[in-house]
Order: sequence, then structure tokens, then C-alpha cells
Amino acid sequence: KAGVTQTPRYLIKTRGQQVTLSCSPISGHRSVSWYQQTPGQGLQFLFEYFSETQRNKGNFPGRFSGRQFSNSRSEMNVSTLELGDSALYLCASSQKTGATEAFFGQGTRLTVV
Amino acid sequence: ILNVEQSPQSLHVQEGDSTNFTCSFPSSNFYALHWYRWETAKSPEALFVMTLNGDEKKKGRISATLNTKEGYSYLYIKGSQPEDSATYLCALAGGTSYGKLTFGQGTILTVHP
Repeated sequence: KAGVTQTPRYLIKTRGQQVTLSCSPISGHRSVSWYQQTPGQGLQFLFEYFSETQRNKGNFPGRFSGRQFSNSRSEMNVSTLELGDSALYLCASSQKTGATEAFFGQGTRLTVV
Repeated sequence: ILNVEQSPQSLHVQEGDSTNFTCSFPSSNFYALHWYRWETAKSPEALFVMTLNGDEKKKGRISATLNTKEGYSYLYIKGSQPEDSATYLCALAGGTSYGKLTFGQGTILTVHP
């Protein structure tokens, strides 16, 4: 069974640009969540999608957005990049939510210069 | 805002030592408590998901307990091995959080041969 796949693995962008990250969940998983990890910070929740609907959003500015497609694949977009957006972005998929384990991808390392 | 606390922040032990970590969380609005192991350059990997007060789970040399009434969980590692070196994360799923997990800052375990 294939795991959670995130692309790209590494990305370098310039301030002011926008970026799109992709996440393909495990087959059959309908919930996809996104997390950000910056140095010194724990994993911070960005948003969660289930069956193409955003059900929960973390405390991030509107520059961070996402979507989920009918095949459960998800994308997140960050517009007008800032230096502070440099981070590891992880996505996780699960069958149900909350009470079942989340399976994480290897992440996308975004560097904003 | 849910606040999940983990202690200690880091721990150095010798091979063969047994060790334990603590995860504290607000007991109200509890739905599930997750433990993950995150090795360097890998994805976080689920160890346990616990939902019931008094839950005890075991996987090999690793076990966990849960007390939802007082808001804490313990993770135990018996006979630590160098391959147990990793960051151990606990995460709380609240009752209305759907797929959102609120993570603690983690405990970094280093096992010296």
C-alpha cells in the first residue's frame, strides 16, 4: 500500500512569489490535514479537508489556502511569500478523523529567500 | 485554545535504561490522544491512539497509559536501544476538531550505546 506522497520535496522561492504544494493521501483515506513546522516550533495545524470540504482551519493568515479534489488529493497554496514562511510542510491522511492514526508524508521543505 | 505540554524537552539515556515521558492536556473536550515517533529525515509514525480513560497500549518495548480525567498520558520505553532515538510527539484530538491534531513540542530522546 503506497504511503502519503508529497511533492515537491524541496522548494526555494523568492519573497512575494506564490507556491503550491501537493499531497496524495493513502488510497481510501478521505481526510487530509496540513501542518507547518518552523525551527523551535512544534507542528502547527493549517487546515483539514474531508470529502473536498474544509472542516477546520488553524490560526494562519488568509495567504494560506488549500483545496481537496474528488480523488482526495490535496493542494495547499501560499501567496505573497514571506521569509517567515520558510518551514517544513507536512500533510497527513487518515481514514476517519481524530480517533484513527494519521499517516504523514515526508514533507516539503520550503525556503523563502 | 488547546495547550498540550510535553516533558521533559529532551532526555539522554544509556542503552538498556528504561525511560518515560509525560504529555499533559486539558481534560475537557477530549476525544483522542495520539503518540508519534519522529526520526530524523523520516515522517512522523503513529505509535498509539487512545480514546478511553484508563487505556493502556503496548507495542514491543513501548507502552502508553491514558488518564483523561486528570489530563495526562505517559509513554514508557523499556530497555532503550539506540534505534529508539527520536522525537516523541503527543497530539490531542478535541471533540469538535475533526481531523485537527494539536501537538505538543515533543520530547527528544537520545540513547547512547
